[in-house]
Amino acid sequence: DVVMTQTPPSLSVAIGQSVSISCKSSQSLVYSDGKTYLHWLLQSPGQSPKLLIYQVSNLGSGVPDRFSGTGSQKDFTLKISRVEAEDLGVYYCVQATHFPWTFGGGTKLELK
Amino acid sequence: EIQLQESGPGLVKPSQSLSLTCSVTGYTITSGYDWSWIRKFPGNKMEWMGYISYSGSTNYNPSLKSRISITRDTSKNQFFLQLNSVTTEDTATYYCASLGYWGQGVMVTVSS
Repeated sequence: DVVMTQTPPSLSVAIGQSVSISCKSSQSLVYSDGKTYLHWLLQSPGQSPKLLIYQVSNLGSGVPDRFSGTGSQKDFTLKISRVEAEDLGVYYCVQATHFPWTFGGGTKLELK
Repeated sequence: EIQLQESGPGLVKPSQSLSLTCSVTGYTITSGYDWSWIRKFPGNKMEWMGYISYSGSTNYNPSLKSRISITRDTSKNQFFLQLNSVTTEDTATYYCASLGYWGQGVMVTVSS
């Protein structure tokens, strides 16, 4: 299975601060069609996960442009510019290039 | 708007089968997407269990070996999870999803 290593496991931030979350995979996530199926999810407290970014850098529906995703091959980053209170929760990267699909361990974003 | 809703028992005895239903509204499951079951264990660990595609093909996580089956009823626009021979390690919150769209989740406890 592809191992997804997500860091840091937790972040304590102030409103308005910018943060980055790293996700590294044990194999390249480039599929045979040339696309990279690396996505980012946010699970806010008491809610189900929500798709933030798909295929590395594409914003999900209704996701503010404070969120951005970059990376390639095995190394990916989610950046949140100017954190707002609604951004708190657990962030996951997930790869859907190789079976079985696998998740990172999660990054819990909390208020400082 | 696409909406997914899980239903099923919240308590299952060890060695028995876990059966869940996902009802989809706002989209016909034969039109597109892969329809997955994903679970979140106590703590943050997420596991993709498998999916049934819009064409009816299935793909399962090998970690679940021969215990899992995902089927569908296209007349009701529903898909189903059956997990056999459950143990306490199958205690989790179970989500049906297509990554971009998630149900609210159902907590299942395996206990005698």
